[in-house]
Amino acid sequence: EAQVTQNPRYLITVTGKKLTVTCSQNMNHEYMSWYRQDPGLGLRQIYYSMNVEVTDKGDVPEGYKVSRKEKRNFPLILESPSPNQTSLYFCASSLFGSRNEKLFFGSGTQLSVL
Amino acid sequence: GQQLNQSPQSMFIQEGEDVSMNCTSSSIFNTWLWYKQDPGEGPVLLIALYKAGELTSNGRLTAQFGITRKDSFLNISASIPSDVGIYFCAGQLTGTASKLTFGTGTRLQVTL
Repeated sequence: EAQVTQNPRYLITVTGKKLTVTCSQNMNHEYMSWYRQDPGLGLRQIYYSMNVEVTDKGDVPEGYKVSRKEKRNFPLILESPSPNQTSLYFCASSLFGSRNEKLFFGSGTQLSVL
Repeated sequence: GQQLNQSPQSMFIQEGEDVSMNCTSSSIFNTWLWYKQDPGEGPVLLIALYKAGELTSNGRLTAQFGITRKDSFLNISASIPSDVGIYFCAGQLTGTASKLTFGTGTRLQVTL
């Protein structure tokens, strides 16, 4: 089944403790992206990647890192999480990132930073 | 970054009623998309619009790309309980490498 898989689904952590949220897609997509969803703000893009070893900042990249060493994986790294990073995170992918392509989303990771 | 304003923020309707929601932007887009997010899941694409004035249907859903290219509308006819969720609009410009700007969302609740 074609899908985008995120792990974990839920994560509670404390301020300053490094964490990684994994994202994997099995559709051989070149384009992958991370979003955060906050009440009243919709989804905002954190980082995106057009292909292996190619990443770029979205609208809210501060406090986040990403890497794209292989096509299928696009982990989101929080080196020193803070409470304002408490949010619902989504990974998404599409074939090339072109405008007429469907964007597939994962099921989300609910992160709480205490 | 820019955000799109959606209205209403939330709606409580009865099963069988029609629903209308809209999305407005201060700048133009070449593509408008409508997504639905079921509780506990990621957004799923409902309708994509590529030309100003375009009207597209997907079952009971109908969406329109505004003539000014700064707005879009989504209508749901004869709502049913499974329509519950958050509806997001998203705008995209050609050549911006799939950068979507999402709206703030409309939360729909359907009562029996």
